Amino acid sequence: AQSVTQLDSQVPVFEEAPVELRCNYSSSVSVYLFWYVQYPNQGLQLLLKYLSGSTLVKGINGFEAEFNKSQTSFHLRKPSVHISDTAEYFCAVSDLSAQGGSEKLVFGKGTKLTVNP
Amino acid sequence: EPEVTQTPSHQVTQMGQEVILRCVPISNHLYFYWYRQILGQKVEFLVSFYNNEISEKSEIFDDQFSVERPDGSNFTLKIRSTKLEDSAMYFCASSGEVDQPQHFGDGTRLSIL
Repeated sequence: AQSVTQLDSQVPVFEEAPVELRCNYSSSVSVYLFWYVQYPNQGLQLLLKYLSGSTLVKGINGFEAEFNKSQTSFHLRKPSVHISDTAEYFCAVSDLSAQGGSEKLVFGKGTKLTVNP
Repeated sequence: EPEVTQTPSHQVTQMGQEVILRCVPISNHLYFYWYRQILGQKVEFLVSFYNNEISEKSEIFDDQFSVERPDGSNFTLKIRSTKLEDSAMYFCASSGEVDQPQHFGDGTRLSIL
């Protein structure tokens, strides 16, 4: 079974500062990795995904993440945040080898990013 | 861009009543999912659905829950006899292929009184 750990439940930063949101996962099989963002009163929007290939993945809104297999991590980064990035960010994994048409997502508990002026 | 749509956005129901949450997945998608998020907790998988049958369900998805794709566009989650602990945000998701990202709706907030 997979599990996802997001170590920081809340991350406050100032506008234009860099940010890193940490994600570590545990799995006995190869996985796909995702970051989703949830703005207030909205659903989950895909930020970026790692399926295979380059370990540095670029997503929407200037975010990027790096897959590190040896450290089982998939940290999310942005070099300069905006007020509009204030949201909750969820890291998720799914089983690469799932059969039967199901690749359920296993989510971390989320990190609330607050960008202050 | 195509979206997953969920109705209603907020449902208030008395304990013990049946509730049906509705979802319209993206039209050419084949894989469908329900997740829930209890306030302050992580998003949890409930059930996946493919080729008109359940592919996988979690231990949360007990006999009071059922899913249906009654026509070519809707995907519903029914809770037969609601309990207070069913209060949560319920998300529907769909994907086009099994290795493609899931697209989520905005959710239905279910409040059980």
